[in-house]
Amino acid sequence: DAKTTQPPSMDCAEGRAANLPCNHSTISGNEYVYWYRQIHSQGPQYIIHGLKNNETNEMASLIITEDRKSSTLILPHATLRDTAVYYCIVRPGNNAGNMLTFGGGTRLMVKP
Amino acid sequence: GAVVSQHPSRVICKSGTSVKIECRSLDFQATTMFWYRQFPKQSLMLMATSNEGSKATYEQGVEKDKFLINHASLTLSTLTVTSAHPEDSSFYICSASPGNQPQHFGDGTRLSIL
Repeated sequence: DAKTTQPPSMDCAEGRAANLPCNHSTISGNEYVYWYRQIHSQGPQYIIHGLKNNETNEMASLIITEDRKSSTLILPHATLRDTAVYYCIVRPGNNAGNMLTFGGGTRLMVKP
Repeated sequence: GAVVSQHPSRVICKSGTSVKIECRSLDFQATTMFWYRQFPKQSLMLMATSNEGSKATYEQGVEKDKFLINHASLTLSTLTVTSAHPEDSSFYICSASPGNQPQHFGDGTRLSIL
């Protein structure tokens, strides 16, 4: 799997948008970008994934650059419950059931 | 949505004890499940791939005789930590996928060996 680079930590004010960047400059053409988050002492939670088009669901939006070498996860209105470690993972999308390789992630702290 | 359940959520036991952790897919069948381990302040590390009806595949450095995996049905995989020692204390997490969908994770099992 291609490697990803994320800032180790970020702060965000409650109610504001949280923009979490991820660099994946060695991504291959068939690799998708996945985002998961892990709230303290829980298992990771799937957020969103995409190939090249921007994606949006009830949790977040995913913006992928045209060259696909980086992406940004956007939480439009962060709440205290969004405090977690966010993992950006790239992997082949042909079989989404395959295992995931986790990097260090970004520890997002949402502050009142 | 797909739900993966782990049991127990927390175990505290004496050194030398064997501990069994269950991972169940509640509303789908999973021919493959994955077991991860997470030490404090670290990321998740894949331990092994559990395959229904066949032997598990272990990652390099993970002792198969120490961490026994049994995937006897399409909804249940078990991880048994045999003769556990304090260095085996960790957060163990399983995952599974309902078909061609993203992996869903259990809530983990925190194992503490005294």
